[in-house]
This record gives sequence, C-alpha cells and structure tokens, in this order.
Amino acid sequence: AQKVTQAQTEISVVEKEDVTLDCVYETRDSTYYLFWYKQPPSGELVFLIRRNSFDEQNEISGRYSWNFQKSTSSFNFTITASQVVDSAVYFCALSGDAGGTSYGKLTFGQGTILTVHP
Amino acid sequence: DSGVTQTPKHLITATGQRVTLRCSPRSGDLSVYWYQQSLDQGLQFLIHYYNGEERAKGNILERFSAQQFPDLHSELNLSSLELGDSALYFCASSPFKGGASTGELFFGEGSRLTVL
Repeated sequence: AQKVTQAQTEISVVEKEDVTLDCVYETRDSTYYLFWYKQPPSGELVFLIRRNSFDEQNEISGRYSWNFQKSTSSFNFTITASQVVDSAVYFCALSGDAGGTSYGKLTFGQGTILTVHP
Repeated sequence: DSGVTQTPKHLITATGQRVTLRCSPRSGDLSVYWYQQSLDQGLQFLIHYYNGEERAKGNILERFSAQQFPDLHSELNLSSLELGDSALYFCASSPFKGGASTGELFFGEGSRLTVL
C-alpha cells in the first residue's frame, strides 16, 4: 500500500522567513509520481508540481523549490522569503503507475498548515 | 479557475437523507475523479470514471454511488446520510485514462456537505 507522511502538522513563520515542508513516502511501485498541492482558505486544491520517480533533479519555480531524494523517499518543499499569501494547507501526494497495483490514484498526506504572519 | 465546476458549493441536510453532488469536468477531459476530505480521514480517493465507465474504486461506502453521463458530467449520490459523512467532496478531471500517473488532476472547488 502507498503511504505519504507529512511530518509537520502546523508551521508558523514570520514573513520573509524561509520554510521547508517535509514529505516522506512509501510505495512498492518502481515507477511513481509525486505531487504537491496547495489548499488556500477558499478551499480549492491548487496543483503546484508533479515529479516522476526517475527524475531526481531538484526544481525551482520562483520562490518555490522542491528537493526529491529517492534514497530517503523524501520530496520536500521549500518556500523562500515567505509571504502572507502563502498561508494555506499544503498536501504532498503520491501516485503509482497506471499499470501498477495503485492504479494511478492519488494518495495524499495529512497536510501541513502553514501560517505566515506579517 | 481550474475549469472544473461543482454544484452545490454548500449543502446542509439531515441524517438519513439522500443528496446528489454534480461535477462538470474541464472541456475535453474524459476522466472524472471523486475525493472526500474529512477531518478524520483527510483526503481520500473515492472513485474514477473514464468516458462513462468506472475505472477504479477507492474507499467508497456502499451507501455512495456515482456515474458519468454521456456528456461527461458526473454525479455522486450519497444516501442514508450519517453525521460522519459531513465532508468536503472534491471532483477532479484530467484528459487521461491512467489517473495521476499520466498527468496532474485539476480539482474543482468542492461541495461542502454538512449532515445534522
């Protein structure tokens, strides 16, 4: 079975601080996909990134960066110079390959509530 | 705006009742997924339809059922409602048959169900 664990339930920072959200996953699939979604107070789920298991390159998009380490089964998310608008719940998610036992459904972590104070 | 439309946005009903949640996927997307978000269970996959056919089931109760119509919109029917069914129900869509392994899922804003 697949499992995603987000170590931090809640994080509180002051604006302009850097913050890292941790994500550890478990899967038996040899090919899998990792995601981060953001859920702002309005409630919708906003896609941030998708990475596949055979591409371990880190990625940077503006103030966001992701560190994928297959050896430790981790896919951590860092926000640099946080802003109040970053306040949201962030979910890490895992999908197996469509032909595998997990079919391709998303398994979500429990989420990390990030609060950025002015 | 993801392009996925869910109605109603909010729904309050009583135990034992039946409700229907509706989802219109993004234009051209053949796959529709339903997820439930509750305080107890977090975000859980319920069911996936592709072009009118059920593709996979997750943790969906027998009291719940879904279908996807020829125009690709989908409905999630919840019956004999219990207090524990109170949750945010998300619909997501994608063009692909293979779930999230083939691309991102685009989520709607959700339907918040409150059972009193």
